Amino acid sequence: KAGVTQTPRYLIKTRGQQVTLSCSPISGHRSVSWYQQTPGQGLQFLFEYFSETQRNKGNFPGRFSGRQFSNSRSEMNVSTLELGDSALYLCASTRDRGLSGGELFFGEGSRLTVL
Amino acid sequence: AQSVTQLDSHVSVSEGTPVLLRCNYSSSYSPSLFWYVQHPNKGLQLLLKYTSAATLVKGINGFEAEFKKSETSFHLTKPSAHMSDAAEYFCVVSVASGGSYIPTFGRGTSLIVHP
Repeated sequence: KAGVTQTPRYLIKTRGQQVTLSCSPISGHRSVSWYQQTPGQGLQFLFEYFSETQRNKGNFPGRFSGRQFSNSRSEMNVSTLELGDSALYLCASTRDRGLSGGELFFGEGSRLTVL
Repeated sequence: AQSVTQLDSHVSVSEGTPVLLRCNYSSSYSPSLFWYVQHPNKGLQLLLKYTSAATLVKGINGFEAEFKKSETSFHLTKPSAHMSDAAEYFCVVSVASGGSYIPTFGRGTSLIVHP
């Protein structure tokens, strides 16, 4: 069974650009959540999607957005990039409706560097 | 509101000696608690989880954790460290709120294993 796949693994952008990251969950998993990991702030929850609907959202500005497709694949977009957006962006999927009751299966992340 | 405090940012042990990684949590409701491990440039992998069943939880690779409600702690232990245990460890609390669940991550503990 394939794990959670995130693409691209590494990317470099400049300030003001936008970026789209992709996440393919484990087959059968309908919940996909996104996280930002930085040395300064640690791991922070961005948002969660279930059945193409955003169900939860963390405390991030509107420049961070996402969506989920009917096949449960998800994308997140960051517009007007800032230097502080440099981070490892992790995606996780779960088979359970709620995040707490089920194990989160993480991808290996997309490392974004903003110059 | 919920929060997680990992009491040590770094723990250094010798191979073959016991490991103790400490985690305290704060939650208004009965939480689900998790420990995840992250190796360099990888995603997070679940070690174990507590979801209101047995208070002593056994996980993968010889790790276990004990849920102590009176102390609001969920410390991770292993009797004998192995070189391959060197990694970053995250304690996570997740609580139901209005039908939704949002995980809160600790800042992480870096486990260093000396030969």
